[in-house]
Amino acid sequence: SAVISQKPSRDICQRGTSLTIQCQVDSQVTMMFWYRQQPGQSLTLIATANQGSEATYESGFVIDKFPISRPNLTFSTLTVSNMSPEDSSIYLCSASQGKYEAFFGQGTRLTVV
Amino acid sequence: SQKIEQNSEALNIQEGKTATLTCNYTNYSPAYLQWYRQDPGRGPVFLLLIRENEKEKRKERLKVTFDTTLKQSLFHITASQPADSATYLCALHLQTGANNLFFGTGTRLTVIP
Repeated sequence: SAVISQKPSRDICQRGTSLTIQCQVDSQVTMMFWYRQQPGQSLTLIATANQGSEATYESGFVIDKFPISRPNLTFSTLTVSNMSPEDSSIYLCSASQGKYEAFFGQGTRLTVV
Repeated sequence: SQKIEQNSEALNIQEGKTATLTCNYTNYSPAYLQWYRQDPGRGPVFLLLIRENEKEKRKERLKVTFDTTLKQSLFHITASQPADSATYLCALHLQTGANNLFFGTGTRLTVIP
């Protein structure tokens, strides 16, 4: 198993600013992902964080808006850039060792005002 | 378009009864299907994984079936308890592409004492 720590756990941000969310895993993992979860909704995959290369983004998500870093096998960051109220959501980091169970952080609750 | 639908947004059952949750998908060919539990304010927690060549998988009071012809998975909780109250999510691994998970819409289960 893997324990995932995300920070911050929550934040309130002004529109037009950016927030960087950090995700730390307690062991080396093959795969890391970032999801968004609107209140009362299911999870939507934003991107796969690739170690040492550019992230792979899902349809509807772009690097300029959600730049992602993954410098090693245990750490990743997601930045939400030029925020608007529509970006208010829960952002979740996930890790897995391939086609098996995924582990999730507790999430970052973002409110943009 | 690709869809993963869980047929009930919310399900209420009496304690001791069996809860049955449904996950239907279209335009996918999943290699694996997983079920997760999510409590409010927390990230999803893995429960069970079933492969495309498996019909049924059990773990304690949980049972999952996977019918690739019907494109459907059923998730059963027997002898349900109030502590089972949570949102349950199905998630698919695709046979091609990266090892990312795509989540269903979720079912909020409430077990009434």
